[in-house]
Amino acid sequence: DAGITQSPRHKVTETGTPVTLRCHQTENHRYMYWYRQDPGHGLRLIHYSYGVKDTDKGEVSDGYSVSRSKTEDFLLTLESATSSQTSVYFCAISESRGTNTGELFFGEGSRLTVL
Amino acid sequence: RKEVEQDPGPFNVPEGATVAFNCTYSNSASQSFFWYRQDCRKEPKLLMSVYSSGNEDGRFTAQLNRASQYISLLIRDSKLSDSATYLCVVNAPNFGNEKLTFGTGTRLTIIP
Repeated sequence: DAGITQSPRHKVTETGTPVTLRCHQTENHRYMYWYRQDPGHGLRLIHYSYGVKDTDKGEVSDGYSVSRSKTEDFLLTLESATSSQTSVYFCAISESRGTNTGELFFGEGSRLTVL
Repeated sequence: RKEVEQDPGPFNVPEGATVAFNCTYSNSASQSFFWYRQDCRKEPKLLMSVYSSGNEDGRFTAQLNRASQYISLLIRDSKLSDSATYLCVVNAPNFGNEKLTFGTGTRLTIIP
């Protein structure tokens, strides 16, 4: 299995509080991604990174920010959590990014509940 | 219309049976296609890529129909361990970049 660790794995927080989820990889892959998964929706891309300090928005980036100061770490921050951000968050990594790239390696997920 | 659509199921199938499900996509410029498997409360994992000519991996066969814009997954001689949600994934160009779109998944339960 790919070496991807997400933390925390479970978190309950209150509306308005900041939350940071961490993704750590030991594979030295260039690309890292944050997705959210909700019932009735497929996995949706929040933000991704294509290198240290290089990030870009995905399709559901509002309310989220990311940072990547080291190859191995990709942080997702909710500055002021809302109930609509209750979800399961998955980090993923890939070696390359191109139209034939399909293999993403996912972390085990972080289950966030915002009350 | 959703970019990638799957029948959510659940498909309840007896062990040993053959089961097939489809996935349709809306973007005719889509270039690559995949099936992922996700066990309950676990992360998705790549099951197989889908090639234009169709491809097989053991009991699993994937096919692509570009004219009708759908891909299919066939599982033969189903095992209890095949119980999972199967996600269809489509990769399409998106303003000079690319976009991987995940379907919502088809839930499969194999019954002893």
